[in-house]
Amino acid sequence: DAMVIQNPRYQVTQFGKPVTLSCSQTLNHNVMYWYQQKSSQAPKLLFHYYDKDFNNEADTPDNFQSRRPNTSFCFLDIRSPGLGDAAMYLCATSSAGTGSADTQYFGPGTRLTVL
Amino acid sequence: KQEVTQIPAALSVPEGENLVLNCSFTDSAIYNLQWFRQDPGKGLTSLLLIQSSQREQTSGRLNASLDKSSGRSTLYIAASQPGDSATYLCAPNSGYSTLTFGKGTMLLVSP
Repeated sequence: DAMVIQNPRYQVTQFGKPVTLSCSQTLNHNVMYWYQQKSSQAPKLLFHYYDKDFNNEADTPDNFQSRRPNTSFCFLDIRSPGLGDAAMYLCATSSAGTGSADTQYFGPGTRLTVL
Repeated sequence: KQEVTQIPAALSVPEGENLVLNCSFTDSAIYNLQWFRQDPGKGLTSLLLIQSSQREQTSGRLNASLDKSSGRSTLYIAASQPGDSATYLCAPNSGYSTLTFGKGTMLLVSP
């Protein structure tokens, strides 16, 4: 009964080689988020989709892109990963704006290693 | 820009103790505040969400309080158990459903 699913759980890529991380949800939530969490640090919001509207955080590098082809799926593309992009990437969803509690539900994360 | 501080950074207690985790935030104009648990190498599990109009929220052995005007929230864990060992993160929501996280409190409960 997994609600927010992330694939793969572990991803190893080479410096500069594009990589795509996947997130899917069974909650039918209208908002999907991508966070980056480096070791011993707080999760940092990269961007989020409110329905089809993309909202980029001001300090998110251009190297990071996202796609949301439908309600259920959202992708994080890293065009040219650097060593500093090694981190846990967390996907989350919420049903914001629907009168609910705005609780964000997180997936298990994808651990990205850059060689 | 919202900034979140969690104190203490780490806490080690024997099983059975009651404990309090503290969270402070700089911008009191929040819609709600969420507490999460994170096990090592895993994602975040939502524990409690307090709306800005609420003072407290309870779930089992967990009780979260919110003093919005002073920019503070506390998470109270009663009768701690080894299974409670994890990192606890607080995250105020300042609008558009975007959360700002603290670095967390790493809790270790020993048998």
